Amino acid sequence: SQQGEEDPQALSIQEGENATMNCSYKTSINNLQWYRQNSGRGLVHLILIRSNEREKHSGRLRVTLDTSKKSSSLLITASRAADTASYFCATDEGFQKLVFGTGTRLLVSP
Amino acid sequence: EADIYQTPRYLVIGTGKKITLECSQTMGHDKMYWYQQDPGMELHLIHYSYGVNSTEKGDLSSESTVSRIRTEHFPLTLESARPSHTSQYLCASSHRTANTGELFFGEGSRLTVL
Repeated sequence: SQQGEEDPQALSIQEGENATMNCSYKTSINNLQWYRQNSGRGLVHLILIRSNEREKHSGRLRVTLDTSKKSSSLLITASRAADTASYFCATDEGFQKLVFGTGTRLLVSP
Repeated sequence: EADIYQTPRYLVIGTGKKITLECSQTMGHDKMYWYQQDPGMELHLIHYSYGVNSTEKGDLSSESTVSRIRTEHFPLTLESARPSHTSQYLCASSHRTANTGELFFGEGSRLTVL
C-alpha cells in the first residue's frame, strides 16, 4: 500500500473562516477516515465515509469522497482557534489496517 | 476519551539499552496496532495484531518486536536502541469487523535515544 497525500501541507486562516483539506489516495478502498492530532498527542477519530457514500456531515465537519478521482476533502466551517491541529486522512484498503496520509497542519488565528 | 494507555509518555535512553513501550486497552478490542510517527508527521504502521497470539509486521520495516499474550496488552520492545529509533510511537486499537473501522489511539510514547 502507498501513503496517501494531503494538500495543503499547511494552512493558516482566521477564526470564522472555512478550512478545506484534500486527500488523494492510490488504490480502491472500503472506507476513508479523517483524524485530528493536537501537538504531542495521539490521534482522534473525526469521521468515516464509506466507499459508496459521497458526502457526510458531522457538526461543523463536511467530508466528500470521489472514488473516481480517488480523492476526499474535509471542510471545517466557521473555524475556531481550538481547531488548530494536524489533520490526517486514512484509507482502509481491505487489509485490516489503515494507511495514513501525510497530514495537513491547520493554524487558526484569533 | 479512549480507554487506551501508553507508558512511558517520554523516554530518554542511551544507545544499546533495551526498552519496552507498554500499551493497554480496556475496550476488549481484538485488533491492535503500533505506528511510528516521524517529525515530518507521517505515520507508518510497524506492527499489528488481530488477537491473542497473532502478530504481523507492518508496512515499515522495524527492528522492534511485539507480543500479544493478553487481549488488552500489546507491548513493543527494542532489544538494543539506537539513535535512529528516536521517534514518536503511537498505539491504537479497533473493533474486530470485516472492514477497518475507527481506530482509538493512545497519547503516544516519545522515545529519544542518545
